[in-house]
Amino acid sequence: TQLLEQSPQFLSIQEGENLTVYCNSSSVFSSLQWYRQEPGEGPVLLVTVVTGGEVKKLKRLTFQFGDARKDSSLHITAAQPGDTGLYLCAGGSGYSTLTFGKGTMLLVSP
Amino acid sequence: NAGVTQTPKFRVLKTGQSMTLLCAQDMNHEYMYWYRQDPGMGLRLIHYSVGEGTTAKGEVPDGYNVSRLKKQNFLLGLESAAPSQTSVYFCASSYTFDGYNEQFFGPGTRLTVL
Repeated sequence: TQLLEQSPQFLSIQEGENLTVYCNSSSVFSSLQWYRQEPGEGPVLLVTVVTGGEVKKLKRLTFQFGDARKDSSLHITAAQPGDTGLYLCAGGSGYSTLTFGKGTMLLVSP
Repeated sequence: NAGVTQTPKFRVLKTGQSMTLLCAQDMNHEYMYWYRQDPGMGLRLIHYSVGEGTTAKGEVPDGYNVSRLKKQNFLLGLESAAPSQTSVYFCASSYTFDGYNEQFFGPGTRLTVL
């Protein structure tokens, strides 16, 4: 069974701070995705990384896939209240299903 | 495009009652999924389908049944609801390319079983 461990589970910061959340596994994944879920809504895909060492940027968000394709990180620069939400990582190792981590709940206060 | 829609948004059942949750997608996706989300447990896959007329079990399939009679619809049934099935249910759909799939989620159905 493939597992994805996310850390921290909860993060509360002030607007303007930087933060990094982590997604780790002992298994190799062919792809790694990050989703954001706002309260009362379904998860929304932010990014997919597929190559070991790959770095993708989405405005103030930077995503990295580990060289061995077992881990990933999400870095947010100058966090804003609109970044508040549950961040989920998901690993794919085939065509049909994803393995989701339990998520990191981020609260950004003004 | 409505994307992925779920019906109903909220429902309260008594133990032993049955119900069906409907998921519809208008993106012509081949793959569809049902998940449940509980505090501290993350998203857990109940059942999924890789095409019309096909279904497969996920991580937590017991107590649920599914059907995919039309490509755009995926139904989740609870034959005899139990309090342990109180949860938020999400449907998702995806297409695959280059060996990976990207999932699009519906808004969720919040189910309470008394």
